[in-house]
Amino acid sequence: DIQMTQSPSSLSASVGDRVTITCRASQGISNYLAWYQQKPGEVPKLLIYAASALQSGVPSRFSGSGSGTDFTLTISSLQPEDVATYYCQKYNSAPRTFGQGTKVEIK
Amino acid sequence: EVQLVESGGGLVQPGGSLRLSCAAFGFSFSSYEMNWVRQAPGKGLEWVSYISSSGSAIYYADSVKGRITISRDNAKNSLYLQMNSLRAEDTAVYYCARDRQSGASPFDYWGQGTLVTVSS
Repeated sequence: DIQMTQSPSSLSASVGDRVTITCRASQGISNYLAWYQQKPGEVPKLLIYAASALQSGVPSRFSGSGSGTDFTLTISSLQPEDVATYYCQKYNSAPRTFGQGTKVEIK
Repeated sequence: EVQLVESGGGLVQPGGSLRLSCAAFGFSFSSYEMNWVRQAPGKGLEWVSYISSSGSAIYYADSVKGRITISRDNAKNSLYLQMNSLRAEDTAVYYCARDRQSGASPFDYWGQGTLVTVSS
């Protein structure tokens, strides 16, 4: 099975900073990669699909890139409401594996 | 408005069984593929199972294969997860989640989750 590895596991940044989270697949998955945001106590929310497509209603400061095995989620200007854990997920085939998550905090 | 409402969670002893339900509202349930995802306390997301819109295609995570059965009743707009031979490591919040579109797709709507606790 394909493994999904995120880095870092956690990060702390200041409001307004540019934040980058990476996700690596153990085998190529084309662009079948999604990013989710889960705020404390809340349900996961789809942010990005097809590696770079923004889900409806998601702020434009979120962007995704990559293809094959290496992917990136970028928050262009970190806001207090972005405090959350972010997960990548491959969905080209079962198992639809999630990464282990990246916890984002405000410095 | 799309809504997914899970029920059926609770406390069960190791080796026991539980049946989770997910009621769907606000969309054409029979047209969408569905999934179960779980999250152990303080841990990350783990995909559990998938079922196609007609129920003809089903997949499971290795961690639950042979112990869990996913099913759906399109006439009742409902998704189910029958869990048998439960273990402590099955303790988690179980979410039902809808595929965004037909074919390989991420999950665009999630329920609020139902907590399953396996303990003696």
